[in-house]
Parts: sequence; C-alpha cells; structure tokens
Amino acid sequence: DTAVSQTPKYLVTQMGNDKSIKCEQNLGHDTMYWYKQDSKKFLKIMFSYNNKELIINETVPNRFSPKSPDKAHLNLHINSLELGDSAVYFCASSQDRLGGVDNEQFFGPGTRLTVL
Amino acid sequence: AQKVTQAQTEISVVEKEDVTLDCVYETRDTTYYLFWYKQPPSGELVFLIRRNSFDEQNEISGRYSWNFQKSTSSFNFTITASQVVDSAVYFCALSEATGNQFYFGTGTSLTVIP
Repeated sequence: DTAVSQTPKYLVTQMGNDKSIKCEQNLGHDTMYWYKQDSKKFLKIMFSYNNKELIINETVPNRFSPKSPDKAHLNLHINSLELGDSAVYFCASSQDRLGGVDNEQFFGPGTRLTVL
Repeated sequence: AQKVTQAQTEISVVEKEDVTLDCVYETRDTTYYLFWYKQPPSGELVFLIRRNSFDEQNEISGRYSWNFQKSTSSFNFTITASQVVDSAVYFCALSEATGNQFYFGTGTSLTVIP
C-alpha cells in the first residue's frame, strides 16, 4: 500500500564512510526527488529526476549522487560523509516534472541520517 | 530573497479555536503553483492542497480552508475548530512553471492545547 517508501528509516555512520538510501514509488509517477531537512526543519530540494533528465540544485556537494535504475526508483548515494550531512532525507515523487501541472509531490517517510 | 515566507514560526491555540497560518510568496512567473504540506510529530510530509495561479477561488475541505489572493501574493490556511491532531508543522511551498525549483517556506509550528 505504501506509495513512496525509503530504506533505511535510520542510518548512523562514521565520518568518511559511503552510504546509500533507497527510494521506491508505486504511484506510476514520472518524476522523483530528494530533499534534505535540517535540524531547523528547513526543507531544501537536492535533485529532481524525470525521464532520465537530472536537475541538480547547484548548492548540493558532488559527494551526493542520485542513481535511478528505473522510473520507480531513485536512490541517493553519499560519499565521504561529513558531520554536516546529518539531517533527515526525504524522497518524493510527482506525476509531472517541476513546473508542470500535476506536480504535487508525495513524500516518503524520511531517513534520519546521523554522522558521528 | 526568500521565495516563500511564513512569518509565524510558532503558534499555540486552545482546542476548538480557529487559527490562520500565513503564507506570502514571491514570483515573477505568471504561471505558478502553491502548496500546503503538513508534517506531524511522526515526521512524514502530508500533501494538503495545490492551487494554480489561474484559480483564485477559495477552497474548503472539512475544517480546512485556503484563501488565495494574488493581489497580496498570499495563500493563507485556516483551520476551523482546531483539534489536538492538528498539531504539526505546516509548510507552504511554491513551484514556478519556468523554474527547476520547489521552494518551501520555513514552516509554522502549530500546537493545539487540549
């Protein structure tokens, strides 16, 4: 029944490690996203991915890379983790691309990443 | 400059009171979309509503209503007869037709006191 799912829900790791967060949507949507929510609850878009078109927020470090094996999945890989990467990461999907008509986004439950 | 401003950081109301959450946006696009999302203490983000810039009709859904006014660039959200379950952080957001961004406001934390 879950529309947008993410694994793991919690991720605790050491600085310098490489980790991945998986995201899957069963809504048949064409666009998927990754967001970062910091400790002050501020939400910022990191990536959007639509029909193999990747749009990157220019403020995102290149240690972060999205990988989409198919339309229903958009995984987030993070290399050389830093303390400042600690946050909640949300995956989302929408029928249409950013700026399109059917662009309301449906979010996964979030992954709380803690870097020690 | 902030594209979406939610000036109210925190609001507390007593159960059954009405409460309005303010949202002011900034855009030069003629076509854009406005959203409200709810984030309860459990952490998930729940979609509440989308309005497009060509539809200024106010909308009511149960105890929730939204007032979209282009003249003041505002998209306010009112909860009537608030309940404890309404306690959450509420986010207003903007998407522009020509842009590649989805702008969230900083959120308003609503606490409904029983």
